[in-house]
Amino acid sequence: GAVVSQHPSWVICKSGTSVKIECRSLDFQATTMFWYRQFPKQSLMLMATSNEGSKATYEQGVEKDKFLINHASLTLSTLTVTSAHPEDSSFYICSVGGGLTNTEAFFGQGTRLTVV
Amino acid sequence: AQTVTQSQPEMSVQEAETVTLSCTYDTSESDYYLFWYKQPPSRQMILVIRQEAYKQQNATENRFSVNFQKAAKSFSLKISDSQLGDAAMYFCAFNFGNEKLTFGTGTRLTIIP
Repeated sequence: GAVVSQHPSWVICKSGTSVKIECRSLDFQATTMFWYRQFPKQSLMLMATSNEGSKATYEQGVEKDKFLINHASLTLSTLTVTSAHPEDSSFYICSVGGGLTNTEAFFGQGTRLTVV
Repeated sequence: AQTVTQSQPEMSVQEAETVTLSCTYDTSESDYYLFWYKQPPSRQMILVIRQEAYKQQNATENRFSVNFQKAAKSFSLKISDSQLGDAAMYFCAFNFGNEKLTFGTGTRLTIIP
């Protein structure tokens, strides 16, 4: 299956700063990647669909200006949390696959963001 | 609206015994794909088993099998011969044909030695 590498695994940043999370598909060309957010002891909530070469599609209630997504190549999508605040602290996970087929979705290892 | 419900926040089972995790969903779609994912303490999401809605035969993957009842919109996971390494959060998830995975709320499974 596809190998998805997410970096960093954890990050601590100060309020008001921005932090970038990378999601790389190491052996699979992904025209679409997905970004999820997971609060402690809760499920994964889809934030946005990252589309290679075009704008991301955000889920209802997700602030597109706060969570900037760039999908510049078939192997890399980035999520930038801008002007981070403590309430943005969460676990962020990316995935590839899981589209309009029955193929499984392959997930990155996740990034734990702590905003202090 | 398409919803996925896991009514068991926590389950426990004795090692080597069998446990069944429940999942129900609601959709007006006729063709979709169903998955069970496992999230161990490392938080890496791992696919356990998948089922195509158009297939009547229940999927089986070694000790893991599903009971898919399309009319009842039920998709349960049975784990046989439970092992300590099965301890994790289990999420059922659906691809309803709109390119998105919708996850259930999860069931935390504890294995009792």
